[in-house]
Formats: sequence, C-alpha cells, structure tokens
Amino acid sequence: GAGVSQTPSNKVTEKGKYVELRCDPISGHTALYWYRQSLGQGPEFLIYFQGTGAADDSGLPNDRFFAVRPEGSVSTLKIQRTERGDSAVYLCASSSGGQGGGETQYFGPGTRLLVL
Amino acid sequence: AQSVTQPDIHITVSEGASLELRCNYSYGATPYLFWYVQSPGQGLQLLLKYFSGDTLVQGIKGFEAEFKRSQSSFNLRKPSVHWSDAAEYFCAVGAVTGRRALTFGSGTRLQVQP
Repeated sequence: GAGVSQTPSNKVTEKGKYVELRCDPISGHTALYWYRQSLGQGPEFLIYFQGTGAADDSGLPNDRFFAVRPEGSVSTLKIQRTERGDSAVYLCASSSGGQGGGETQYFGPGTRLLVL
Repeated sequence: AQSVTQPDIHITVSEGASLELRCNYSYGATPYLFWYVQSPGQGLQLLLKYFSGDTLVQGIKGFEAEFKRSQSSFNLRKPSVHWSDAAEYFCAVGAVTGRRALTFGSGTRLQVQP
C-alpha cells in the first residue's frame, strides 16, 4: 500500500492476556519505529528498528514489551501479561533510513488498545 | 535529554482568523524540528520540518513555522484558519546525532469556530 498500515485498528483484551500488534511499513523503508500515545499526551518512543535489528529499545517500559521485525519489513509489537495501564494508542512509523534523525517519519493510523 | 513544551493545551480561533501555536524545546544544540497534525482517527501527518538554513519554513496546507534559536522556539503559524484545520497539533524534536527517535510535545488541540 501507499502508507503505513497497522492491524488491528482496535483491540480489547483482559488484564493478564497477551496481545500482538502488527505494523506494515511503507515499501522500501528500512527504519521502523513504535510509539505509544496515551490520552491527552504526545507520542512516546518505544523502539526503533534499522532493518531486522532493534537499534534502540530504550523506550520499552519493561520486559513485558517486546518487538520483532524478522524480515526487515513487517513488525510485531508484543505485550505480555497486559495491564490496564497499557491502554493507549500504539503508533508505528517508518522512514527511508538513510538520513539520520532528521528524516521524515510516516505514521500509521495506530492501534487503539484497551485493557479491561 | 531533549524535551518539548507546548504551553497551550487548547486553542479556539474563529474561521478566517490568524493562528499561532507555540513550541519551545530543550536540546544541547540546534535540533531537527517538526510539526505534525493529527485528525481524529488519522495518523500523524507532517506539516513541515526545520533542519538548517532559512529560519522561516513553509509547509503544507498554508502553514509556516519560524525557528528562533535565542528563544528555543519553533512556533507554527497560519494567516487564515479554515474549519478543516481543527485537529491536534504536535511539535517534535529530533537529535542531529545519535538517537533517531522523535520527542514530542503534549500537543495543542485547535478548535475552529464558524
């Protein structure tokens, strides 16, 4: 597709369950980012991939959060033992990967996660 | 550590009026600066960005922003607001070296009155 896509668009789960959120970046983009946006806040960085490897995972809040990008394209954010505080919109972005911190990041529509 | 402050949580303007959204940043040098817009149910869309050079940056949808190093500011402006501009606006800073992640402000919600 032309833009970044994320599935599902909405996810409702129960406390303690495991969830997976998927991101399909713009074709050819080597850099992929995950952010989390809580209500009334700006996006907060979680993790950045360059190709298949996590180049910066300093934003992951704890070890319940994990992300993979095995083939350097689609990425999955995995949350174990979900907690009510994990409820937020999870945003994925991609960029061409060649220009460092100034290159434009293109965002997907997000996955709204609600943990009951 | 870099940070971004958007002091106005909510702004209401009349259609056709001018607009200025404030953004102040904290960074050790001149950073990369961005303004994104987020409409309900939509992803973040880039309005404009500043790297270096001319301090007045033109963006899409008639927006512009001015980088003022002395004030550590990057305010967004539009001379005449349209009803379709109602949305949430986010200022963000990116590091020139090292970290690739963007740091966002908490956003300003713009309401446009007819």
